[in-house]
Amino acid sequence: DADVTQTPRNRITKTGKRIMLECSQTKGHDRMYWYRQDPGLGLRLIYYSFDVKDINKGEISDGYSVSRQAQAKFSLSLESAIPNQTALYFCATRDSRISGELFFGEGSRLTVL
Amino acid sequence: AQKVTQAQTEISVVEKEDVTLDCVYETRDTTYYLFWYKQPPSGELVFLIRRNSFDEQNEISGRYSWNFQKSTSSFNFTITASQVVDSAVYFCALSEANMGRRALTFGSGTRLQVQP
Repeated sequence: DADVTQTPRNRITKTGKRIMLECSQTKGHDRMYWYRQDPGLGLRLIYYSFDVKDINKGEISDGYSVSRQAQAKFSLSLESAIPNQTALYFCATRDSRISGELFFGEGSRLTVL
Repeated sequence: AQKVTQAQTEISVVEKEDVTLDCVYETRDTTYYLFWYKQPPSGELVFLIRRNSFDEQNEISGRYSWNFQKSTSSFNFTITASQVVDSAVYFCALSEANMGRRALTFGSGTRLQVQP
């Protein structure tokens, strides 16, 4: 089983719908992240969390919200999806070292029609 | 603010050619880490290497090598004798010691196509 699991892996939805992407990890890391990947733009940080009581906005948080239900779970919500939120979304975890690499989930491809 | 630039959007080579992927970074910190990730066509992100700002030694791992030069703020990645399986998008990333968020900042990626 993957250490970082994202669900759903693929989702097609309509404009205005509420969508939740879920992420769970078994690595025991306290830091969790949501990134968005768009062609030509690389990965951009949406939200990050250092523990269940510490949630922070990244560079592109508008239109998104998150919930850290437990150390191992970090969900991303689109309250009212719009077409320009069509993208590949990655959840990642990291240990507390500044040198630590990110461990990524397999990605969730979201299409908003 | 930190920034990572990968100016090469796409590179196409023929198998067995050597290829270098460029990465230029900006940071005000003296302590930072640089990373390379690979994203094959299947979509997952695979960690390749980490380098800290105090270690400018080049590193070689099989056909892969990395050249870190603080004087030019660059951390370039070379694949020797490229193979079709090297076809992927490659991302360079930066992590700074003094950033409270301790997140990685990524470049826009370089798509490498290795033709048989």
